[in-house]
Amino acid sequence: DAGVTQSPTHLIKTRGQQVTLRCSPISGHKSVSWYQQVLGQGPQFIFQYYEKEERGRGNFPDRFSARQFPNYSSELNVNALLLGDSALYLCASSWDSDSPLHFGNGTRLTVT
Amino acid sequence: AQSVTQLDSQVPVFEEAPVELRCNYSSSVSVYLFWYVQYPNQGLQLLLKYLSGSTLVESINGFEAEFNKSQTSFHLRKPSVHISDTAEYFCAVTPVGGGADGLTFGKGTHLIIQP
Repeated sequence: DAGVTQSPTHLIKTRGQQVTLRCSPISGHKSVSWYQQVLGQGPQFIFQYYEKEERGRGNFPDRFSARQFPNYSSELNVNALLLGDSALYLCASSWDSDSPLHFGNGTRLTVT
Repeated sequence: AQSVTQLDSQVPVFEEAPVELRCNYSSSVSVYLFWYVQYPNQGLQLLLKYLSGSTLVESINGFEAEFNKSQTSFHLRKPSVHISDTAEYFCAVTPVGGGADGLTFGKGTHLIIQP
């Protein structure tokens, strides 16, 4: 079975631009979570979605938004990019909001 | 809120030697505990988890971790490491029943296996 897939794998954007990252969960998983991993740090929780509704939000500014579609895939949007948004963005899926997470390989975002 | 402290940013060890990666957490509520491993240019893979029951949990590749509630620790151990164990290891917690709060990760420990 396919694992969690994320696209694109790498992305370079300029300050002030907007970016959309995509995630497809493992088949049958209804929950998707997003994490930001800055170089040299552990991942930080951004959002969790379950059955297309936002169930949890981390301490990130409103420039960060997400949504989950009827097929349980998800998009993470970041507006008005800052240099500090450069990071590996990880998507994880799980059966429900309390099950262990399965992570994708991430999207490496570089903001110049 | 929860916090996780991984006391060592890097742990060098010789192949076939034992290793312990330390993890301490702080939380006002009961938590589930996890260890994840991250190989270069990859996402995180779940290594093992403590949800309830026996405080000693084991993975299929020889790692084990013991939950110590009084010490608020969840140290990861392996009796004999291999070159293939070289990776970044992350300890994480989440409140019991609070999966929507997400995982709180430590900063990670880079395990370096020397031949």
